[in-house]
Amino acid sequence: QVQLVESGGGLVRPGGSLRLSCAASGFTFRDYYMSWIRQAPGKGLEWVSYISLSGSHIKYGESVKGRFTISRDNAKNSLHLQMNSLRAEDTAVYYCARAESMVVVNWGQGTLVSVSS
Amino acid sequence: QPLLTQSSSASASLGSSVRLTCTLSSGHSNYIIAWHQQQPGQAPRYLMKVEGSGSYNKGSGVPDRFSGSSSGADRYLTISNLQSADEAVYYCETWDSNTWVFGGGTKLTVL
Repeated sequence: QVQLVESGGGLVRPGGSLRLSCAASGFTFRDYYMSWIRQAPGKGLEWVSYISLSGSHIKYGESVKGRFTISRDNAKNSLHLQMNSLRAEDTAVYYCARAESMVVVNWGQGTLVSVSS
Repeated sequence: QPLLTQSSSASASLGSSVRLTCTLSSGHSNYIIAWHQQQPGQAPRYLMKVEGSGSYNKGSGVPDRFSGSSSGADRYLTISNLQSADEAVYYCETWDSNTWVFGGGTKLTVL
């Protein structure tokens, strides 16, 4: 079955960087759009970024544009999110998600990113 | 860019039925949406996709008690024979050319 396993979360100081990874299995990774979605403590879901099959088409939410970079390695079935210039408001659980016909159909278990001094 | 509006809360009794609503903003009434369930302390789970025609397509393992429908700009999630495990936050989601969009979520309480 489809499995999405995130890693790389942790505590980081404001202005710092963190790289999240998502290991995918149970489906042909290169055939699907992938996305990062986050959820601040006690809040709703916020889309962060998506990447197309080959990585040629990428979009970011306004709140992370210019600071975060999404990438994928189809040979290793992995998705990444490089997060720079982190702010307190970036504190959230970050979910890796698989999209099918442009809706999210699978979610990872999430990884917690805490930005605090 | 479409906006999705959901009531913040809903409640219904054990064994009864409840219908949750997700409303698409003006000009986007034909959009497909998806419903996701987030139980306390868990990651979200995909439930189904609902089209403007009212047809819906459920994810693997989603019980028959869950169904979808549509009317104009409204997309519905109906849960019948409510169980305590259905107590959760339910989010709707859609996509436009540049972005994914989520509704604010409806917290369902099973009485």
